[in-house]
Amino acid sequence: QAVVTQEPSLTVSPGGTVTLTCGSSTGAVTSGHHPCWLQQRPGQAPRTLIYDTTNKHSWTPARFSGSLLGGRAALTLSGAQPEDEAEYYCLLSYTLDRRVFGGGTKVTVL
Amino acid sequence: QVQLVESGGGVVQPGGSLRLSCAASGFAFSSSNMHWVRQAPDKGLEWVTIIGSDGNAQFYADSVKGQFTVSRDNSKNTLYLQMNSLRPEDTAVYYCAKDVDWGFDYWGRGTLVTVSS
Repeated sequence: QAVVTQEPSLTVSPGGTVTLTCGSSTGAVTSGHHPCWLQQRPGQAPRTLIYDTTNKHSWTPARFSGSLLGGRAALTLSGAQPEDEAEYYCLLSYTLDRRVFGGGTKVTVL
Repeated sequence: QVQLVESGGGVVQPGGSLRLSCAASGFAFSSSNMHWVRQAPDKGLEWVTIIGSDGNAQFYADSVKGQFTVSRDNSKNTLYLQMNSLRPEDTAVYYCAKDVDWGFDYWGRGTLVTVSS
């Protein structure tokens, strides 16, 4: 079973930039893993920000972007806002029946 | 607007069964692949299953294979998850989510399943 790893926690200053990453125990993350990024605020359902590496939904704030960086998937938040304080999860899809979430990154805006 | 509303959660004894439903509206349900994702209390997300738009293809996480069955009724715009032989470790909030290009777009608010004696 593949293991997907994320930073447990990150802190960013208001207006600052932070990059979250998502790695795979099987090797480099590629576009073939179709990385997906979700945001979950306390007590709320998840909300998808990025799918298929770089694609945004209509509700995704422009300050969020997805990419591949050094063999990992990455979510960059540029110009952090207080409302961006949340848990962020990545999902990697290895096959149709093997889709694995990372353990989540808790982002604090402070 | 798009809505996904889960129901059917509750408290069930170990070894028991439960069927969850997800009522969909505001989009072409019969053309959409659908997922179930769960989240144990104070834990991360776990992908559970996906079903194709016509119901003919289903894929499951190893942790629920042979235990859970996903189905859908496109005439009722409803997704189901039949959960059998439930164990305490199946305790979680269960979310349904609409598929898009190997990811998700819309999510429901979830329904809590508690497996306890």
